[in-house]
Amino acid sequence: RKEVEQDPGPFNVPEGATVAFNCTYSNSASQSFFWYRQDCRKEPKLLMSVYSSGNEDGRFTAQLNRASQYISLLIRDSKLSDSATYLCVVTPNAAGNKLTFGGGTRVLVKP
Amino acid sequence: DADVTQTPRNRITKTGKRIMLECSQTKGHDRMYWYRQDPGLGLRLIYYSFDVKDINKGEISDGYSVSRQAQAKFSLSLESAIPNQTALYFCATSDHGQGGDEQFFGPGTRLTVL
Repeated sequence: RKEVEQDPGPFNVPEGATVAFNCTYSNSASQSFFWYRQDCRKEPKLLMSVYSSGNEDGRFTAQLNRASQYISLLIRDSKLSDSATYLCVVTPNAAGNKLTFGGGTRVLVKP
Repeated sequence: DADVTQTPRNRITKTGKRIMLECSQTKGHDRMYWYRQDPGLGLRLIYYSFDVKDINKGEISDGYSVSRQAQAKFSLSLESAIPNQTALYFCATSDHGQGGDEQFFGPGTRLTVL
């Protein structure tokens, strides 16, 4: 089993619609959680951190469910510019800054 | 100017050749990383360094070596390239301390080994 698993998609989303997807992680001791965004074969960039209480940044909402070991990302009012691959990232423990990446979920927003 | 730069951006080489990929950063970060990305597999950590005198193996270090020449420079070498090392390689940096979990990536090097 992979440490961090994601549905590769693609999720085809009409412009203006809402899309949500999850990521599961296998290490229950994982400390930190993030969503990174990666445009077509460009470098990943941090989209948002994911906190236990859930957090929102504009049209993006991230949730963490430690009991079921998954995090989620919801995008409201999708824009064409939201088309990208979204990488789920987990830090295994508090020591150091080693990140474990999921394979990514591809989102295609269409007019 | 980009904060994290990688050279070359693209490289095609032959099996058995020695290749060096270079990474430089102007962010003043202590920590630097090398990843490779393959389709569907996400990014996998090759080596990482928390300061100039610190080198650590990552998940997939076999066939690779690194050198941390200075705080700002971290190079990755393939001593004898093989076709399954064909991938997109990313260098990344992070800060030590508060907010240090965010990593900043270079633009990537696309390596093809024939």
